[in-house]
Amino acid sequence: AQKVTQAQTEISVVEKEDVTLDCVYETRDTTYYLFWYKQPPSGELVFLIRRNSFDEQNEISGRYSWNFQKSTSSFNFTITASQVVDSAVYFCARSSGSARQLTFGSGTQLTVLP
Amino acid sequence: DVKVTQSSRYLVKRTGEKVFLECVQDMDHENMFWYRQDPGLGLRLIYFSYDVKMKEKGDIPEGYSVSREKKERFSLILESASTNQTSMYLCASSSSPWLSNYGYTFGSGTRLTVV
Repeated sequence: AQKVTQAQTEISVVEKEDVTLDCVYETRDTTYYLFWYKQPPSGELVFLIRRNSFDEQNEISGRYSWNFQKSTSSFNFTITASQVVDSAVYFCARSSGSARQLTFGSGTQLTVLP
Repeated sequence: DVKVTQSSRYLVKRTGEKVFLECVQDMDHENMFWYRQDPGLGLRLIYFSYDVKMKEKGDIPEGYSVSREKKERFSLILESASTNQTSMYLCASSSSPWLSNYGYTFGSGTRLTVV
């Protein structure tokens, strides 16, 4: 199976620190999509970003930024100046060949301490 | 506001019971999915459906079945609940054939405890 690996199970930082969540994926597809979702304690996964495999431009949205490197099959997520409200489980996901399904990583529990 | 609604937030069932988890979406999405979420294992696909009355097994279908009689509703059935099916169950939907900009839209999850 083509996996999505989030090696960091849990990360704990102090408020205002920067933190990077790692995501490495496997795929044999030439075209695919990558996603990040946030799962706060309420339980519902919330969409953060989608990236197409043919677009390696990095993206910044406020305190969030994403680094996509096709050469290393990585799609890392950085939160700058973290806040307590960023505490959540973050999932990385990759589309399947049909682009109808997503394969998820095991998630990273981020705790931001005040 | 588009929604995926799961009928129960918390459920407690006894071993051997038949359990129904309901999921309804109001976005006219063709694709619907059931995942279970366990600590350290992420989201694992149980079953999915790309059309009414169509169903396909995911990665961990054993002990589960599904029903999709209407486009908006996708039900997960635990034929005879067991304690190892205690988990968080997440329903999701998406448009077809290519994933939309948002990928999946998720429900809030059902935390099932089998005692």
